[in-house]
Amino acid sequence: DQQVKQNSPSLSVQEGRISILNCDYTNSMFDYFLWYKKYPAEGPTFLISISSIKDKNEDGRFTVFLNKSAKHLSLHIVPSQPGDSAVYFCAASANTPLVFGKGTRLSVIA
Amino acid sequence: DAGVTQSPTHLIKTRGQQVTLRCSPKSGHDTVSWYQQALGQGPQFIFQYYEEEERQRGNFPDRFSGHQFPNYSSELNVNALWLGDSALYLCASSLLSYGGMEYNEQFFGPGTRLTVL
Repeated sequence: DQQVKQNSPSLSVQEGRISILNCDYTNSMFDYFLWYKKYPAEGPTFLISISSIKDKNEDGRFTVFLNKSAKHLSLHIVPSQPGDSAVYFCAASANTPLVFGKGTRLSVIA
Repeated sequence: DAGVTQSPTHLIKTRGQQVTLRCSPKSGHDTVSWYQQALGQGPQFIFQYYEEEERQRGNFPDRFSGHQFPNYSSELNVNALWLGDSALYLCASSLLSYGGMEYNEQFFGPGTRLTVL
């Protein structure tokens, strides 16, 4: 039973365009959501988070949107850069250990 | 400021053996969590240690055990290894959250790649 789902295993985007990574969850008790980025041979690195009391959080080129009624969140990267190429994990918590999705591999093509 | 460090980087074991993985948390952090990341999967929570005690545990068998030392470093032990234990083992450190809406970010180490033959 996957509580956090990232249904797109991979995504290719041209440099300068917008990257949109999607995440769905099933547990309505989740109240905090995070995105992590992972490069090969490195551990996941925290990118951005959002509390369930908000519907948007922005940090530079990265914006996370939360739609609680749809149990859906998305990460927007604008503009996309080649250095953004990595695996992105969506994670959620209900004041509990993080529950991760399977990840989406983003490739930004120059 | 050193981040989270893990050792060894890679490890090869055979079925039935035992393994110990080590983690040093980021300076100032008092909580260590361990995750297993199988190929093509996201990290899966194993357990969390705070004040040298296991606080929370995920859905892993008793073959997986841990320890936290007074300096907050931690070990993950896996007994009776089998092929399915092959994975990247990640350690994450944080400051314990005392509830509320604030969540303390977890910092991950680079992981230990365990291969069981």
